[in-house]
Amino acid sequence: DAGITQSPRHKVTETGTPVTLRCHQTENHRYMYWYRQDPGHGLRLIHYSYGVKDTDKGEVSDGYSVSRSKTEDFLLTLESATSSQTSVYFCATTPTSTYEQYFGPGTRLTVT
Amino acid sequence: DAKTTQPNSMESNEEEPVHLPCNHSTISGTDYIHWYRQLPSQGPEYVIHGLTSNVNNRMASLAIAEDRKSSTLILHRATLRDAAVYYCILRPVLADKLIFGTGTRLQVFP
Repeated sequence: DAGITQSPRHKVTETGTPVTLRCHQTENHRYMYWYRQDPGHGLRLIHYSYGVKDTDKGEVSDGYSVSRSKTEDFLLTLESATSSQTSVYFCATTPTSTYEQYFGPGTRLTVT
Repeated sequence: DAKTTQPNSMESNEEEPVHLPCNHSTISGTDYIHWYRQLPSQGPEYVIHGLTSNVNNRMASLAIAEDRKSSTLILHRATLRDAAVYYCILRPVLADKLIFGTGTRLQVFP
């Protein structure tokens, strides 16, 4: 295991409320990623970070923002949650972009 | 980005070899071929990757066609724990992210 934890593991929230998901790693990996997984779509990249304060967009970044103020933490924020953001969210880390990615256990988010 | 094509699902019996195919006819010379798998209710995990030559590790073998337009992940003796979704992914050499497809769901029967 690469020492990746995600919190919360489950969350139910209402449409229009802000939500922040946290990914925490203990491996000092430089790269961190947020994915969402929905039935029939596999995993889709939302945002990723290649260092502290360095982030970039993925395939499905609309409606999401991220922040990375410390190497070990990567936060994903839904400013105003919508039902279409109901999904399972996975965080991943890797020491270099060419190395294998290690995934966290996931966060199941339901927006009602 | 070059795309991969995998069967939606495959079945195997326990203790038999499994060959999971992946087509990537538009692969470029610097694209690495990565395989990940996702067990039920877990995050994906790395299986193996290669560029041109066949590769072996403790989990599986990767056979890459000579023209690199296809590859096959080989599980030498399937176990019930190998039931998962297997993703074949192309990663350009300088890319810092992976693009997952929908993968192949492998069912293993006792």
